[in-house]
Amino acid sequence: SYELTQPPSVSVSPGQTASITCSGYKLGDKYACWYQQRPGQSPVLVIYQDIKRPSGIPERFSGSNSGNTATLTISGTQAMDEADYYCQTWDSSTAVFGGGTKLTVL
Amino acid sequence: EVQLVESGGGLIQPGGSLRLSCAASEFTVSSNYMSWVRQAPGKGLEWVSVIYSGGNTFYADSVKGRFTISRDNSKNTLYLQMNSLRAEDTAVYYCARARANIVGAVTTKSFDIWGQGTMVTVSS
Repeated sequence: SYELTQPPSVSVSPGQTASITCSGYKLGDKYACWYQQRPGQSPVLVIYQDIKRPSGIPERFSGSNSGNTATLTISGTQAMDEADYYCQTWDSSTAVFGGGTKLTVL
Repeated sequence: EVQLVESGGGLIQPGGSLRLSCAASEFTVSSNYMSWVRQAPGKGLEWVSVIYSGGNTFYADSVKGRFTISRDNSKNTLYLQMNSLRAEDTAVYYCARARANIVGAVTTKSFDIWGQGTMVTVSS
């Protein structure tokens, strides 16, 4: 079965750039999405189709996907961005989530 | 407001059955791809099942043969029938709309609307 691998944790200072990676076999040949989940809340879509932002998602969130790695980049990270982030793709008709990355804003 | 509201969770003994419901507002369930995603306590997201607008259904290996996804078009509601429940099925269950985006010859999907989740605890 298809697998996506994320680092368990990433730390960033306020105002700096955070990058969260997601690795999977030929992931660049698929489309990746990213979700933000704050404690006690439902996930929120922040990036879809590799690079697109849904309405209401700040411009500081961006995405890329090439080769075996998709990356979520948060520019000018704010304290409110501290959350768990999950990548996701589809392998045929099966959705696959990465294990999640806890972003800490120090 | 576009929203999903789950119900039906609770405490159930191993081997028991439970049916979850997910009522949609301001969009039509039958015209969309709809999924169930679960999250065990302190763990990550795990996809469970999807039903396509055409009615095709697909399941994670961990629930295949035990869970059934369905919908009632007249009630604009999604369901998840869960049988032969195990302790490892304990989780918050979310329903989510998988919005389809057509890119060339490819249909990609992203979970753009999520419910608030309903907790299922399997324990004796």
